[in-house]
Amino acid sequence: GAGVSQSPSNKVTEKGKDVELRCDPISGHTALYWYRQRLGQGLEFLIYFQGNSAPDKSGLPSDRFSAERTGESVSTLTIQRTQQEDSAVYLCASSWTSRESPLHFGNGTRLTVT
Amino acid sequence: AQSVAQPEDQVNVAEGNPLTVKCTYSVSGNPYLFWYVQYPNRGLQFLLKYITGDNLVKGSYGFEAEFNKSQTSFHLKKPSALVSDSALYFCAVRDGDTGFQKLVFGTGTRLLVSP
Repeated sequence: GAGVSQSPSNKVTEKGKDVELRCDPISGHTALYWYRQRLGQGLEFLIYFQGNSAPDKSGLPSDRFSAERTGESVSTLTIQRTQQEDSAVYLCASSWTSRESPLHFGNGTRLTVT
Repeated sequence: AQSVAQPEDQVNVAEGNPLTVKCTYSVSGNPYLFWYVQYPNRGLQFLLKYITGDNLVKGSYGFEAEFNKSQTSFHLKKPSALVSDSALYFCAVRDGDTGFQKLVFGTGTRLLVSP
């Protein structure tokens, strides 16, 4: 079946512009995560959604970052007034509700801020 | 809050030799532990997990991991490395007792298997 789909795969933007990244999770997966991976570094947790519960936004680095999810489907991560330090690969993952469930990752969006 | 440490940035091993990638964790409740692999220009792939039961868990591509509660470790192992195993490996932990929470990843270990 289809995996987690992210778009665009690559995005180049100028400093100060806003960008929107999209994630289509696996159908039926109630949990959805966003992570950031800077070049040569590990995964930095940003936010996760679980069904209709309030999202855990504890990893968002600044108020320029926001994310939404429509029900148990598509999620968008928005970065306003992008800065060069926002350049990274943004990874989306989804999973079943169970705590035992592994995450299934998309291939990521590579964001470059010039 | 939970955390994961992967003390080695890189592990080098010759093809055919056994490999170990180290991981230690910190969590207040019962640990749910995971290993993922990332091949170049690709997303992360799930390898294996420990939830409960046998301390030695087996996963994809011949990998296994050993859970050690007293040492709070969950090292990834493979008896005989392949050049194709060269990739970036991530250990991750979730607190199994405090509800559904985020999965926290380590900083990753690059495995380089030489022919």
